[in-house]
Amino acid sequence: GQQLNQSPQSMFIQEGEDVSMNCTSSSIFNTWLWYKQDPGEGPVLLIALYKAGELTSNGRLTAQFGITRKDSFLNISASIPSDVGIYFCAGRVSGTYKYIFGTGTRLKVLA
Amino acid sequence: DGGITQSPKYLFRKEGQNVTLSCEQNLNHDAMYWYRQDPGQGLRLIYYSQIVNDFQKGDIAEGYSVSREKKESFPLTVTSAQKNPTAFYLCASSSHAGTGLKNIQYFGAGTRLSVL
Repeated sequence: GQQLNQSPQSMFIQEGEDVSMNCTSSSIFNTWLWYKQDPGEGPVLLIALYKAGELTSNGRLTAQFGITRKDSFLNISASIPSDVGIYFCAGRVSGTYKYIFGTGTRLKVLA
Repeated sequence: DGGITQSPKYLFRKEGQNVTLSCEQNLNHDAMYWYRQDPGQGLRLIYYSQIVNDFQKGDIAEGYSVSREKKESFPLTVTSAQKNPTAFYLCASSSHAGTGLKNIQYFGAGTRLSVL
Protein backbone atom coordinates (compact mmCIF):
# COMPACT_ATOMS: atom_id res chain seq x y z
CA GLY A 1 0.00 0.00 0.00
CA GLN A 2 0.94 3.62 -0.44
CA GLN A 3 2.86 5.32 2.38
CA LEU A 4 4.10 8.79 3.16
CA ASN A 5 7.74 9.74 3.49
CA GLN A 6 8.22 10.97 7.03
CA SER A 7 11.49 12.36 8.32
CA PRO A 8 13.53 12.14 10.32
CA GLN A 9 13.05 8.52 11.37
CA SER A 10 14.37 9.26 14.84
CA MET A 11 15.66 12.19 16.86
CA PHE A 12 17.60 12.52 20.08
CA ILE A 13 17.37 15.99 21.56
CA GLN A 14 18.10 17.80 24.78
CA GLU A 15 15.26 18.96 26.99
CA GLY A 16 14.30 22.51 26.08
CA GLU A 17 15.24 22.22 22.41
CA ASP A 18 12.83 22.75 19.55
CA VAL A 19 11.93 19.85 17.22
CA SER A 20 10.85 19.79 13.58
CA MET A 21 9.59 16.89 11.51
CA ASN A 22 7.83 16.63 8.18
CA CYS A 23 5.90 14.41 5.82
CA THR A 24 5.86 14.47 2.04
CA SER A 25 3.69 12.68 -0.47
CA SER A 26 3.40 12.27 -4.20
CA SER A 27 -0.37 12.74 -3.86
CA ILE A 28 -2.35 15.87 -3.09
CA PHE A 29 -4.16 15.67 0.23
CA ASN A 30 -7.18 17.57 1.54
CA THR A 31 -6.61 16.68 5.19
CA TRP A 32 -3.50 16.19 7.28
CA LEU A 33 -3.50 14.74 10.78
CA TRP A 34 -0.70 14.47 13.32
CA TYR A 35 -0.73 11.81 16.04
CA LYS A 36 1.52 10.88 18.97
CA GLN A 37 1.87 7.26 20.05
CA ASP A 38 3.33 6.10 23.35
CA PRO A 39 4.79 2.58 23.57
CA GLY A 40 2.08 -0.08 23.62
CA GLU A 41 -0.72 2.46 23.23
CA GLY A 42 -2.89 3.75 20.40
CA PRO A 43 -2.13 7.00 18.56
CA VAL A 44 -3.60 10.16 20.08
CA LEU A 45 -4.67 12.97 17.77
CA LEU A 46 -2.64 16.14 18.19
CA ILE A 47 -3.61 18.44 15.33
CA ALA A 48 -5.91 18.33 12.29
CA LEU A 49 -5.32 20.51 9.19
CA TYR A 50 -7.86 21.12 6.43
CA LYS A 51 -6.58 23.86 4.11
CA ALA A 52 -3.40 24.52 2.16
CA GLY A 53 -1.24 27.01 4.07
CA GLU A 54 -3.13 26.47 7.33
CA LEU A 55 -1.06 26.88 10.47
CA THR A 56 -2.52 25.44 13.67
CA SER A 57 -1.18 25.30 17.22
CA ASN A 58 -1.93 23.06 20.17
CA GLY A 59 0.09 24.27 23.15
CA ARG A 60 3.77 23.86 22.30
CA LEU A 61 2.91 22.06 19.07
CA THR A 62 2.47 23.82 15.73
CA ALA A 63 1.61 22.12 12.46
CA GLN A 64 1.30 23.46 8.94
CA PHE A 65 -0.49 22.22 5.83
CA GLY A 66 1.96 22.77 2.96
CA ILE A 67 1.06 25.12 0.12
CA THR A 68 1.53 22.39 -2.47
CA ARG A 69 -0.88 20.16 -0.45
CA LYS A 70 1.73 17.42 -0.68
CA ASP A 71 3.49 18.04 2.60
CA SER A 72 3.00 18.94 6.23
CA PHE A 73 5.26 19.98 9.10
CA LEU A 74 5.10 19.57 12.87
CA ASN A 75 7.15 21.65 15.27
CA ILE A 76 7.48 21.13 19.01
CA SER A 77 8.90 24.00 21.00
CA ALA A 78 10.81 23.75 24.27
CA SER A 79 10.68 19.95 24.44
CA ILE A 80 10.09 18.20 27.76
CA PRO A 81 10.63 14.55 28.76
CA SER A 82 6.96 13.61 28.24
CA ASP A 83 7.27 14.52 24.56
CA VAL A 84 9.01 11.16 24.10
CA GLY A 85 7.13 8.89 21.72
CA ILE A 86 6.46 8.23 18.06
CA TYR A 87 4.86 10.96 15.97
CA PHE A 88 2.83 9.97 12.93
CA CYS A 89 1.42 12.01 10.11
CA ALA A 90 -1.61 10.87 8.14
CA GLY A 91 -2.95 12.33 4.92
CA ARG A 92 -6.16 11.83 3.02
CA VAL A 93 -6.62 12.23 -0.72
CA SER A 94 -9.61 14.34 -1.71
CA GLY A 95 -12.59 12.22 -2.63
CA THR A 96 -11.38 9.15 -0.77
CA TYR A 97 -12.15 7.70 2.61
CA LYS A 98 -8.73 6.32 3.43
CA TYR A 99 -5.89 7.82 5.38
CA ILE A 100 -2.31 7.06 4.41
CA PHE A 101 0.09 6.98 7.35
CA GLY A 102 3.73 7.96 7.61
CA THR A 103 6.27 5.55 9.07
CA GLY A 104 6.71 7.69 12.18
CA THR A 105 9.37 9.84 13.83
CA ARG A 106 10.70 8.39 17.07
CA LEU A 107 11.54 11.22 19.48
CA LYS A 108 13.76 10.82 22.53
CA VAL A 109 14.36 13.69 24.93
CA LEU A 110 17.45 13.73 27.10
CA ALA A 111 17.00 15.49 30.43
CA ASP B 1 -16.31 8.15 29.73
CA GLY B 2 -16.45 8.17 25.92
CA GLY B 3 -13.94 6.36 23.81
CA ILE B 4 -12.86 3.28 21.94
CA THR B 5 -12.20 0.11 23.92
CA GLN B 6 -10.11 -2.71 22.53
CA SER B 7 -9.76 -6.06 24.24
CA PRO B 8 -7.83 -8.02 25.16
CA LYS B 9 -4.64 -5.96 25.53
CA TYR B 10 -2.51 -9.05 24.81
CA LEU B 11 -3.52 -12.16 22.88
CA PHE B 12 -1.71 -15.34 21.99
CA ARG B 13 -2.61 -17.55 19.06
CA LYS B 14 -1.72 -21.17 18.52
CA GLU B 15 -1.01 -22.37 15.03
CA GLY B 16 -4.17 -23.16 13.13
CA GLN B 17 -6.35 -21.23 15.54
CA ASN B 18 -8.72 -18.38 14.81
CA VAL B 19 -8.76 -15.53 17.33
CA THR B 20 -11.10 -12.55 17.64
CA LEU B 21 -10.15 -9.05 18.71
CA SER B 22 -12.85 -6.87 20.19
CA CYS B 23 -13.46 -3.19 19.42
CA GLU B 24 -16.29 -1.21 21.03
CA GLN B 25 -16.98 2.52 20.79
CA ASN B 26 -19.49 4.69 22.63
CA LEU B 27 -18.84 7.82 20.57
CA ASN B 28 -21.84 7.23 18.31
CA HIS B 29 -19.46 7.15 15.35
CA ASP B 30 -20.68 5.78 12.04
CA ALA B 31 -17.40 4.48 10.66
CA MET B 32 -14.95 2.01 12.16
CA TYR B 33 -11.57 0.75 10.99
CA TRP B 34 -8.98 -1.91 11.71
CA TYR B 35 -5.26 -1.30 11.20
CA ARG B 36 -2.20 -3.44 11.58
CA GLN B 37 1.06 -1.92 12.87
CA ASP B 38 4.45 -3.57 12.45
CA PRO B 39 7.71 -2.18 13.84
CA GLY B 40 9.10 0.67 11.77
CA GLN B 41 6.07 0.80 9.48
CA GLY B 42 3.07 3.02 9.16
CA LEU B 43 -0.42 1.78 9.86
CA ARG B 44 -1.93 -0.46 7.20
CA LEU B 45 -5.69 -0.71 6.73
CA ILE B 46 -7.20 -4.18 7.09
CA TYR B 47 -10.96 -3.53 6.92
CA TYR B 48 -13.31 -0.63 7.37
CA SER B 49 -17.04 -0.18 7.84
CA GLN B 50 -19.00 2.95 7.05
CA ILE B 51 -22.33 1.69 8.30
CA VAL B 52 -23.91 -1.21 10.16
CA ASN B 53 -24.06 -4.47 8.18
CA ASP B 54 -21.58 -3.19 5.61
CA PHE B 55 -17.80 -3.38 5.45
CA GLN B 56 -15.03 -3.14 2.85
CA LYS B 57 -11.59 -4.67 2.44
CA GLY B 58 -8.59 -2.48 3.03
CA ASP B 59 -5.06 -2.95 1.71
CA ILE B 60 -4.20 -6.15 3.62
CA ALA B 61 -7.50 -8.00 4.20
CA GLU B 62 -6.28 -11.51 3.36
CA GLY B 63 -6.44 -13.81 6.39
CA TYR B 64 -8.80 -11.51 8.31
CA SER B 65 -12.57 -11.23 8.65
CA VAL B 66 -14.91 -8.74 10.32
CA SER B 67 -18.57 -8.17 11.13
CA ARG B 68 -20.59 -5.05 11.88
CA GLU B 69 -23.87 -6.13 13.43
CA LYS B 70 -24.07 -3.18 15.79
CA LYS B 71 -23.00 0.45 15.35
CA GLU B 72 -20.79 0.37 18.42
CA SER B 73 -18.99 -2.93 17.73
CA PHE B 74 -16.54 -4.02 15.01
CA PRO B 75 -14.76 -7.29 15.92
CA LEU B 76 -11.79 -8.54 13.91
CA THR B 77 -11.06 -12.25 13.46
CA VAL B 78 -7.53 -13.29 12.61
CA THR B 79 -7.94 -16.60 10.84
CA SER B 80 -5.52 -19.48 10.45
CA ALA B 81 -5.03 -18.32 6.86
CA GLN B 82 -3.06 -15.33 8.16
CA LYS B 83 0.44 -16.80 8.25
CA ASN B 84 2.19 -13.89 9.90
CA PRO B 85 -0.29 -12.52 12.45
CA THR B 86 2.18 -11.20 15.05
CA ALA B 87 1.57 -7.45 15.17
CA PHE B 88 -0.08 -4.60 17.06
CA TYR B 89 -3.71 -4.19 15.99
CA LEU B 90 -5.45 -0.84 16.22
CA CYS B 91 -9.13 -0.06 15.93
CA ALA B 92 -10.31 3.42 15.00
CA SER B 93 -13.60 5.21 14.49
CA SER B 94 -14.76 8.45 12.90
CA SER B 95 -17.97 10.42 13.14
CA HIS B 96 -18.34 11.11 9.45
CA ALA B 97 -17.80 8.27 7.05
CA GLY B 98 -16.53 8.60 3.54
CA THR B 99 -14.90 11.59 1.95
CA GLY B 100 -16.12 14.51 4.06
CA LEU B 101 -13.60 16.82 5.71
CA LYS B 102 -14.64 15.82 9.22
CA ASN B 103 -13.60 12.21 8.73
CA ILE B 104 -11.05 12.32 11.55
CA GLN B 105 -10.06 9.00 13.04
CA TYR B 106 -9.66 8.33 16.75
CA PHE B 107 -7.90 5.22 17.98
CA GLY B 108 -8.26 2.61 20.69
CA ALA B 109 -5.33 1.47 22.87
CA GLY B 110 -4.52 -1.55 20.70
CA THR B 111 -4.20 -5.32 21.01
CA ARG B 112 -0.84 -7.02 20.73
CA LEU B 113 -1.16 -10.43 19.09
CA SER B 114 1.62 -12.99 19.31
CA VAL B 115 1.94 -16.52 17.97
CA LEU B 116 2.83 -19.37 20.33
